[in-house]
Amino acid sequence: GQNIDQPTEMTATEGAIVQINCTYQTSGFNGLFWYQQHAGEAPTFLSYNVLDGLEEKGRFSSFLSRSKGYSYLLLKELQMKDSASYLCAVGGGSQGNLIFGKGTKLSVKP
Amino acid sequence: DAGITQSPRYKITETGRQVTLMCHQTWSHSYMFWYRQDLGHGLRLIYYSAAADITDKGEVPDGYVVSRSKTENFPLTLESATRSQTSVYFCASTSGQGGSEAFFGQGTRLTVV
Repeated sequence: GQNIDQPTEMTATEGAIVQINCTYQTSGFNGLFWYQQHAGEAPTFLSYNVLDGLEEKGRFSSFLSRSKGYSYLLLKELQMKDSASYLCAVGGGSQGNLIFGKGTKLSVKP
Repeated sequence: DAGITQSPRYKITETGRQVTLMCHQTWSHSYMFWYRQDLGHGLRLIYYSAAADITDKGEVPDGYVVSRSKTENFPLTLESATRSQTSVYFCASTSGQGGSEAFFGQGTRLTVV
């Protein structure tokens, strides 16, 4: 079956670093995506990993280990505006679609 | 304006009514998707389309119908709305399979009373 797990909620302090983990078991794999979704808004693309290793993009980095079925999203220098849900998604379902985890709601406190 | 747009943004309907949610994209993306998002479930795929006139079921297709007569449009119809279909619906599009970034519409918040 298809399964993507990530923590339901996390809290962190402004200026700190937070790591959001994601583990997956899917029948197909064509990359691992991270999306950000603010309350009441649409998901927006953050990062994409298809090979093992770390991809860095400004304050955000994403890591992938295909052999372990594991990814994480690292957010540095947290800002209040980073309070949002972070969705882990695997590309390559049989329909070519994205398979989403349930999302991690991150609250950034002053 | 380029992008993907959904209409309406909000809709209240009664049980048993037929409702159609519209989705329009201007990128000529081949792939289009309909997801629903519910607390505790995340985003679940309802239907997808790989090209005009090609559609297929996703994880939760029961009670829904789609069509894709033109590449840019992908309407979702609830044939006879039920309370369990109260949800936020997102349309998305990508240029290719699997490894392509998906772009999402603003969402339609549907309430069935």
